[in-house]
Amino acid sequence: NAGVTQTPKFQVLKTGQSMTLQCAQDMNHNSMYWYRQDPGMGLRLIYYSASEGTTDKGEVPNGYNVSRLNKREFSLRLESAAPSQTSVYFCASSGGTAREKLFFGSGTQLSVL
Amino acid sequence: RKEVEQDPGPFNVPEGATVAFNCTYSNSASQSFFWYRQDCRKEPKLLMSVYSSGNEDGRFTAQLNRASQYISLLIRDSKLSDSATYLCVVRQPGGYNKLIFGAGTRLAVHP
Repeated sequence: NAGVTQTPKFQVLKTGQSMTLQCAQDMNHNSMYWYRQDPGMGLRLIYYSASEGTTDKGEVPNGYNVSRLNKREFSLRLESAAPSQTSVYFCASSGGTAREKLFFGSGTQLSVL
Repeated sequence: RKEVEQDPGPFNVPEGATVAFNCTYSNSASQSFFWYRQDCRKEPKLLMSVYSSGNEDGRFTAQLNRASQYISLLIRDSKLSDSATYLCVVRQPGGYNKLIFGAGTRLAVHP
């Protein structure tokens, strides 16, 4: 009963390094999302994928790219990490009629030095 | 002005107390409303949806006031396990599932 699996849980990068956050869901959901959460702010949507084969920008897409590899997997890539990208990242999915019910992964704590 | 605003707290209450949180939203066209719960360093989880007529789930009651653009969450008979951050979430019109999260209200229930 895995739900949404997100890796890694922690990561430290140097400025300019690249990395990919992985996300997979086993609930057969059509929609998947990437959010970031910063202190004192609500979760902000980076990118989303309404269905397999489509991706769109959210509120804060600059500096990120995404890939919806298949229905299960949605990855987030930082091509050249910056200190401003230090944050907690959450992947989420939703599906069916209750699409506002998001199921979140356990999060990735990313620090960019 | 933030699209969804919450008092960050913390609200420190003893076990058994009743506590209420409010949340205001700026977009009058907002369509749906929710409360999510987030435990420390964990992922958010849906607590309950908020309906126009108000709704109750055990010790939790949610209310919506569209005229004043706020929603509320009332917790009765607080338990230690209720200690968490409560996120107000508003769905806005748009081509996708556009959910706007408040920054959260922290609740600490003590013995």
